Amino acid sequence: RKEVEQDPGPFNVPEGATVAFNCTYSNSASQSFFWYRQDCRKEPKLLMSVYSSGNEDGRFTAQLNRASQYISLLIRDSKLSDSATYLCVVVRSQGNLIFGKGTKLSVKP
Amino acid sequence: GAGVSQTPSNKVTEKGKYVELRCDPISGHTALYWYRQSLGQGPEFLIYFQGTGAADDSGLPNDRFFAVRPEGSVSTLKIQRTERGDSAVYLCASSLTGGGGPTDTQYFGPGTRLTVL
Repeated sequence: RKEVEQDPGPFNVPEGATVAFNCTYSNSASQSFFWYRQDCRKEPKLLMSVYSSGNEDGRFTAQLNRASQYISLLIRDSKLSDSATYLCVVVRSQGNLIFGKGTKLSVKP
Repeated sequence: GAGVSQTPSNKVTEKGKYVELRCDPISGHTALYWYRQSLGQGPEFLIYFQGTGAADDSGLPNDRFFAVRPEGSVSTLKIQRTERGDSAVYLCASSLTGGGGPTDTQYFGPGTRLTVL
């Protein structure tokens, strides 16, 4: 079983839609979690950290369920500019990042 | 300020050749990471430096891969006897302190696209 597993995608949604990505991780000792965004042929960039209490940044909401080892990202009111691959990330104890395969989002007009 | 830079941006080599990939981290960042990303996959961890020392090299796939960071700043990833399966984008990231806490953001460079013919 992979250490981080994500919805395979791709997700094709119209502008204004709400879309949710899910991710599970296998190492129950993991302490830190992130969502990164990666545009085509570009480097990954941090979108947001994920906390147990849940956190929101504008149209983006991230949730962590430690008991189920489950992470989610919700995007409300999708924009064309949200089109990208979203990478679920779990941090190992040394600090190196373990990435999921990524879920591709295409927002259409 | 300047971000993480990597050179070259593209490298084409022949099977069996030796290559060096360079990473310049953000000034003042003590932690430096190398990752490799194959097409359609997420980045895969290779090695982590804390200062000059390799704190975790568990991701290096075999002994053809080696990395150094002699002065605690610039790092070089070295691949000997390249194989076609080494073709990927090699990403470097740096963070202020390392350790992976929720505020220790890793900033990625643009990557080096390595193609082994």
